[in-house]
Amino acid sequence: DIQMTQSPSSLSASLGDTVTITCRASQRISTYVSWYQQKPGKAPELLIYTASILHSGVPSRFSGSGSGTDFTLTVSNLQPEDFATYYCQQSHTVPLAFGGGTKVEIK
Amino acid sequence: QVTLRESGPVLVKPTQTLTLTCTFSGFSLTTTGMCVSWIRQPPGKALEWLALIDWADDKYYSTSLKTRLSISKDTSKNRVVLTMTNMHPADTGTYYCARIGGVPDALYDMDVWGQGTTVTVSS
Repeated sequence: DIQMTQSPSSLSASLGDTVTITCRASQRISTYVSWYQQKPGKAPELLIYTASILHSGVPSRFSGSGSGTDFTLTVSNLQPEDFATYYCQQSHTVPLAFGGGTKVEIK
Repeated sequence: QVTLRESGPVLVKPTQTLTLTCTFSGFSLTTTGMCVSWIRQPPGKALEWLALIDWADDKYYSTSLKTRLSISKDTSKNRVVLTMTNMHPADTGTYYCARIGGVPDALYDMDVWGQGTTVTVSS
């Protein structure tokens, strides 16, 4: 099975900052990584798929990159609504797997 | 508009079997490439993938839970059912269903999620 290791588990940032979250797959998965945003009490929402493609309606301050085993999610110009928990997911092979999550908090 | 909604018991006792239903609209599970997946989240913890069923009725399960899980579909009623046997307090959490197959040139990306249903395992 493919495991996803996400870091950091949490970070503090200020409005307008740029933050980067990383995810490492236990084996090569081409660009088959998705990123999700989850706010408290809500279901996750798809942000990015196939490592770098923004899902419909997602602001352009979100971007993703990577291939093989190392992937990043970058959020530029942090807005109040961006403070949430983010998860990566390998979408290459079943069984599917999520990373452990990164909570982005206000500094 | 694509929607999914989970339903099932709020409380189950240890050792009982949990049955959850995902009722969806706006797409068909007979369409090539479409899948429905189940995911859970213990309180304060990360997402955990559980199972998936696809348009061809192929079924896939979490390796660690596959002996306890069963997934099925009723395409005429637009429903997917997940059963989990021998429930334990550690199975407490929110259970989500999600659609796979709604984004182009992707594999297993979950583009629409239900709101989730909370299950507590306690005697």
